[in-house]
Amino acid sequence: EAGVTQFPSHSVIEKGQTVTLRCDPISGHDNLYWYRRVMGKEIKFLLHFVKESKQDESGMPNNRFLAERTGGTYSTLKVQPAELEDSGVYFCASSQGLWGEQYFGPGTRLTVT
Amino acid sequence: AQTVTQSQPEMSVQEAETVTLSCTYDTSESDYYLFWYKQPPSRQMILVIRQEAYKQQNATENRFSVNFQKAAKSFSLKISDSQLGDAAMYFCAYRPMNTGFQKLVFGTGTRLLVSP
Repeated sequence: EAGVTQFPSHSVIEKGQTVTLRCDPISGHDNLYWYRRVMGKEIKFLLHFVKESKQDESGMPNNRFLAERTGGTYSTLKVQPAELEDSGVYFCASSQGLWGEQYFGPGTRLTVT
Repeated sequence: AQTVTQSQPEMSVQEAETVTLSCTYDTSESDYYLFWYKQPPSRQMILVIRQEAYKQQNATENRFSVNFQKAAKSFSLKISDSQLGDAAMYFCAYRPMNTGFQKLVFGTGTRLLVSP
């Protein structure tokens, strides 16, 4: 069974540009989470989808971040326009059921220059 | 607000030795889960061990065990008979049990170095 996959693995963009990160959860997992780790700091929660609905988006930093999960399968996280402080590693996780173990993807390293 | 603190940015251990990684947390909840996750270099983060707060018995998974002190809000991870493959970032995480939110709250991580 394939695990959680994320694309791209690494993205380098200039300040002001747009970037879209993609996450493919484990097949059958209705719950999908986005987290972010800024260098040297803790991994912070961004938002949680149940199928295509946003269950909790309390961690989204501002309106430059837009997450979608059309059809309840893969999810995208768009940053527009990107700022220097958006640099970090963006992790996606999925789980089966609300209290199931969260399985993490390898992350996307975003560098904004 | 719940917080998780890992005060050791980096730890070193030799193969076959034992190492303990520290984690403390702050919460007003009485029921919750605690986790240790491992992230090897350039690889996915995986769950190492889980502890339910209502269980007094410390969780154990092969060479990995925890020392859970609920009153002190402490949750340390002990790795016995360390192996080269244990080298990784280790994250301590918390999740409340009886709320509508399933998000994990993480610490800043501890990098474990294992030498031959």
